[in-house]
Amino acid sequence: QKEVEQNSGPLSVPEGAIASLNCTYSDRVSQSFFWYRQYSGKSPELIMSIYSNGDKEDGRFTAQLNKASQYVSLLIRDSQPSDSATYLCAVNRDNYGQNFVFGPGTRLSVLP
Amino acid sequence: DVKVTQSSRYLVKRTGEKVFLECVQDMDHENMFWYRQDPGLGLRLIYFSYDVKMKEKGDIPEGYSVSREKKERFSLILESASTNQTSMYLCASSLSQNYGYTFGSGTRLTVV
Repeated sequence: QKEVEQNSGPLSVPEGAIASLNCTYSDRVSQSFFWYRQYSGKSPELIMSIYSNGDKEDGRFTAQLNKASQYVSLLIRDSQPSDSATYLCAVNRDNYGQNFVFGPGTRLSVLP
Repeated sequence: DVKVTQSSRYLVKRTGEKVFLECVQDMDHENMFWYRQDPGLGLRLIYFSYDVKMKEKGDIPEGYSVSREKKERFSLILESASTNQTSMYLCASSLSQNYGYTFGSGTRLTVV
């Protein structure tokens, strides 16, 4: 089983809709979870972090974590064409919490 | 904002050459990382460092080495470049697990 799995997409949603991105991970001791956004030809940029079960909201973004089921998700409300990018899920895998493994990414396309 | 600077945006090198990729961060971060990113394979960890003079192998260290003589600088060395090392190389730094990574802009290396 791969350490971090994501649907590769592309996930297409109309402008204004909610985009839902999912990620599952295999290491039960993982404690830190991050979502990165990567535009084509650019490097990843951090958009959300979550450490506890439940929801965490930041503007139009909501991260959801369920450690029992080993999944983390990212919801983007009121999706905009500028949200079109690849979204990477990252999960820590080191006792010191500094070493992360990345999922393959989900490509999101928001249609005007 | 943390700035992670990679010295070259594009590089073209010949097979067998020794290649140095430089990365400098300006926020006194302890932790620095080198990843490569390839289509279909995602981000893969090459080497990382939690302190000056310290280095640890990641998932794909073969053919690479690193140097961290100063806290702010983490260099990736391709001892004898090969065509299968053609890739996007991304340097990242982090303060701690609670802050995630800040990535540099990347170096696209082509080995011919």
